[in-house]
Amino acid sequence: EAGVAQSPRYKIIEKRQSVAFWCNPISGHATLYWYQQILGQGPKLLIQFQNNGVVDDSQLPKDRFSAERLKGVDSTLKIQPAKLEDSAVYLCASSLGIDRVNTEAFFGQGTRLTVV
Amino acid sequence: KQEVTQIPAALSVPEGENLVLNCSFTDSAIYNLQWFRQDPGKGLTSLLLIQSSQREQTSGRLNASLDKSSGRSTLYIAASQPGDSATYLCAVHNYNQGGKLIFGQGTELSVKP
Repeated sequence: EAGVAQSPRYKIIEKRQSVAFWCNPISGHATLYWYQQILGQGPKLLIQFQNNGVVDDSQLPKDRFSAERLKGVDSTLKIQPAKLEDSAVYLCASSLGIDRVNTEAFFGQGTRLTVV
Repeated sequence: KQEVTQIPAALSVPEGENLVLNCSFTDSAIYNLQWFRQDPGKGLTSLLLIQSSQREQTSGRLNASLDKSSGRSTLYIAASQPGDSATYLCAVHNYNQGGKLIFGQGTELSVKP
C-alpha cells in the first residue's frame, strides 16, 4: 500500500513570502495530522483533521498559518507571511481513525522549510 | 494537559550492547502508545504500537513495554548495531483529546562499531 505522500521535499523562501505544503494520506485514512518539528525537538501538532473537519488546531498560529482538507482526502498547509522561526520540518501523518483500534499513525517524509 | 518525557536525550553505546530507552507520560487516559524511529533528514517510521490494554509488543530485536498506571513505557533494543543509530520518539494517543498524538522530545542513539 502506498504511504503518506508529501511535497515538496525541500523549500527555501525569504521571510515575508508565502509557502504551501501538500499532503496525500494513505487511502481510506480518515484522520490527518500536520506537525512542525524544529531541529532537535519532538514534533508539535499544528492541526488534526477527522475527514474534512478540524479536531484540534489549538497550536496553529492562525494569524499566519492555515490548513484545509477539502473532500476529506488530501490537505494543504499554508504559511503567509513566513518568519525566520518557521524554519522547520513539516510532517504530515494519517491514521484510519481516532478510536482505540485505528489510531496507528503513519508519517510522510516531511518538507524541510528554510526561511532566510 | 498530557506531557511526554523521554530520558535520556542522547545515548552512545558500543555495538552489541543491549539498551533501554525510557518514555513517561502524565495522563494515563490513552488509546495507545507508539514508538517511532527517525533518521536524519527523514520522516518518522513506526516501530511498535502498544494498545492501552496490552503490556508489551515485540518486533525482531525490539521489545516495548507499557505500564499505563504509572505512565511509563520502555523500548528495549537487543544486540544493538550501528544501523540502529537514529532518534527514537515515543508518542501517546490521548483518549480525552480526540486521539491527539503527543510526542516526547526523542532520544538520539548512537551505536559505535
